[in-house]
Amino acid sequence: KNEVEQSPQNLTAQEGEFITINCSYSVGISALHWLQQHPGGGIVSLFMLSSGKKKHGRLIATINIQEKHSSLHITASHPRDSAVYICAVRNTGNQFYFGTGTSLTVIP
Amino acid sequence: EPEVTQTPSHQVTQMGQEVILRCVPISNHLYFYWYRQILGQKVEFLVSFYNNEISEKSEIFDDQFSVERPDGSNFTLKIRSTKLEDSAMYFCASRPAGETQYFGPGTRLLVL
Repeated sequence: KNEVEQSPQNLTAQEGEFITINCSYSVGISALHWLQQHPGGGIVSLFMLSSGKKKHGRLIATINIQEKHSSLHITASHPRDSAVYICAVRNTGNQFYFGTGTSLTVIP
Repeated sequence: EPEVTQTPSHQVTQMGQEVILRCVPISNHLYFYWYRQILGQKVEFLVSFYNNEISEKSEIFDDQFSVERPDGSNFTLKIRSTKLEDSAMYFCASRPAGETQYFGPGTRLLVL
């Protein structure tokens, strides 16, 4: 059973394209995180959301609590955005559940 | 900028041996975590630690695993008797209250 589902699993885009990655979850949450995992394995937290929308540079994250769904958008994508993007949720305790990740490749 | 550090970066051990993975969280953070990622698989939650005790643990975190914050700065994960299937990248993370996590660079453990 996967508490967190992401789509698509793999995504290839041309530089400059607008990208959307989706995340659905089935548990009650206190927060949802979007993470970026670089090819070398390092993990960086991009956003933590509990409601609404956040924006940081070309990245936008939204969450709909009622629908248990979140999206990560990348505007004007660039080859340096190529990475695995992971959705993770923290339940109402302090336990995390992770999606399998979306592998993004942006072609120049 | 403060960062979470982990040592060693790589560890190779024989099956059945004990290993201790070390993490130094960011100094004013309150919540501490260990995760693992088996090669090619998703990240999995192991344990969370707050106020000097475990606050949540997953099914993976059985009696072979333990965590300690022995001196107020280090946060360690001990695997008592390693198995082949413990081979993975182990990530430590920390966060202040109400904010996002900061991940360490990981320790790659290989059990032979």
